[in-house]
Amino acid sequence: AQKVTQAQTEISVVEKEDVTLDCVYETRDTTYYLFWYKQPPSGELVFLIRRNSFDEQNEISGRYSWNFQKSTSSFNFTITASQVVDSAVYFCALSGPAQGGSEKLVFGKGTKLTVNP
Amino acid sequence: AAGVIQSPRHLIKEKRETATLKCYPIPRHDTVYWYQQGPGQDPQFLISFYEKMQSDKGSIPDRFSAQQFSDYHSELNMSSLELGDSALYFCASSLESNQPQHFGDGTRLSIL
Repeated sequence: AQKVTQAQTEISVVEKEDVTLDCVYETRDTTYYLFWYKQPPSGELVFLIRRNSFDEQNEISGRYSWNFQKSTSSFNFTITASQVVDSAVYFCALSGPAQGGSEKLVFGKGTKLTVNP
Repeated sequence: AAGVIQSPRHLIKEKRETATLKCYPIPRHDTVYWYQQGPGQDPQFLISFYEKMQSDKGSIPDRFSAQQFSDYHSELNMSSLELGDSALYFCASSLESNQPQHFGDGTRLSIL
C-alpha cells in the first residue's frame, strides 16, 4: 500500500524566512512519482512539481526547491524568502505505475503554511 | 492556457436528493480523475477514466456513478445524498498516464 506522511500539520513563519515542508512516503513500487500541490485559501489545487523515482536530482524553480532522497524516502520542499502569498495548504502526493492508463494520487494530510507580514 | 472546467462551482442539495457534477478536461487530455475532499481533509481518489473507459476505482460509494463521454467530458452522478457527502469535488485531467494531473477549481457540494 502507498502512504504519504506530512508530519507538520501547521507551520507559521514571518515573511522572508526560509521554510521547509517535510514529506515521507512509503511504496513497494520500484517506479513511482512524487508530487507537490498548493491549495490556497480560495480552494483550487495548483500543481507545483512532479518527480519520478529514477530522477533524484534536486530541482530549483525560483524561490522553490525540492530535495528528493530515495535513501530516506523523503521529498522535501523548501520555500526561500517566504512571502505572504505563499500562505496555503501544501500537499505532497504519490502515485505508482499507471494502471489501465491512469495513475491515482495518494495525498498526505497536508501542511498549512502561514506567512505573516 | 485552457484549464480543467468544472460545473457548477457551488451546489446546495437536501438529503436524499441527486446531484450531477460535470468536468471538461484540458483539450487533448485523455484521462480524467475524480477526487473528494472533505473539510480539513486531503483529497481522496474516487474514480478515473482513460479513453472513455473506467480505469481505476477508489473509495467511491455505490450511490455514486460516473462516466466519460465521447467528447472526453465526464460526469459524476450522486444519488440519495447524505450529510457526509458535503465536500469539495475535484476533477483532474492528464495527457497520457505519466503526465501530471491538472485540477479544476472544484465543485463545492453542500447537503442540508
